[in-house]
Amino acid sequence: DAKTTQPTSMDCAEGRAANLPCNHSTISGNEYVYWYRQIHSQGPQYIIHGLKNNETNEMASLIITEDRKSSTLILPHATLRDTAVYYCIVRASGGYQKVTFGTGTKLQVIP
Amino acid sequence: EPEVTQTPSHQVTQMGQEVILRCVPISNHLYFYWYRQILGQKVEFLVSFYNNEISEKSEIFDDQFSVERPDGSNFTLKIRSTKLEDSAMYFCASSGGTYLTTGELFFGEGSRLTVL
Repeated sequence: DAKTTQPTSMDCAEGRAANLPCNHSTISGNEYVYWYRQIHSQGPQYIIHGLKNNETNEMASLIITEDRKSSTLILPHATLRDTAVYYCIVRASGGYQKVTFGTGTKLQVIP
Repeated sequence: EPEVTQTPSHQVTQMGQEVILRCVPISNHLYFYWYRQILGQKVEFLVSFYNNEISEKSEIFDDQFSVERPDGSNFTLKIRSTKLEDSAMYFCASSGGTYLTTGELFFGEGSRLTVL
């Protein structure tokens, strides 16, 4: 799996958009960008994934640059419950592929 | 919404004892995983399981560890002789079934193992 680089930590004001960046300059053509998060010590939670087009679901939006070397996860209206560690992961699709977690970005949503 | 369930939520054991952690994956999923997270550290992959056999395992998953799917619904992780360094949160995950093309993993809430 390609390596990803994320900031160690970020703050965001409650109600504002949280924009979490990720660099994945060595991504290959068949690899997707996945985002997961882990709230405190709970199990990791899948958020969203994409290949090259921007994606949106009920939780977040994913913006992938045209060269696919970086992406941004957007939480449009951050709440206190969005305080978590966010992981950007690059991997091939397919149900059998394991997910390898890095250290992620610790997002602190501030009241 | 379907979910992965794990039991027990917390287990305390003495060093050298055997421990079995249990997981009930989402019913139509085909791929199963165990991860662990030592306090303050990253979530680490242990093993993946498909079609009743291990498909991949990490260096952590040595001979002290084993997995099985004994009855078609449960997925278990056994640690034969626990060590202090096995103290961690253990997460079970599953994927596949009708979501084969997305590859997202669904995680349980974890089992906290404390070895004294």
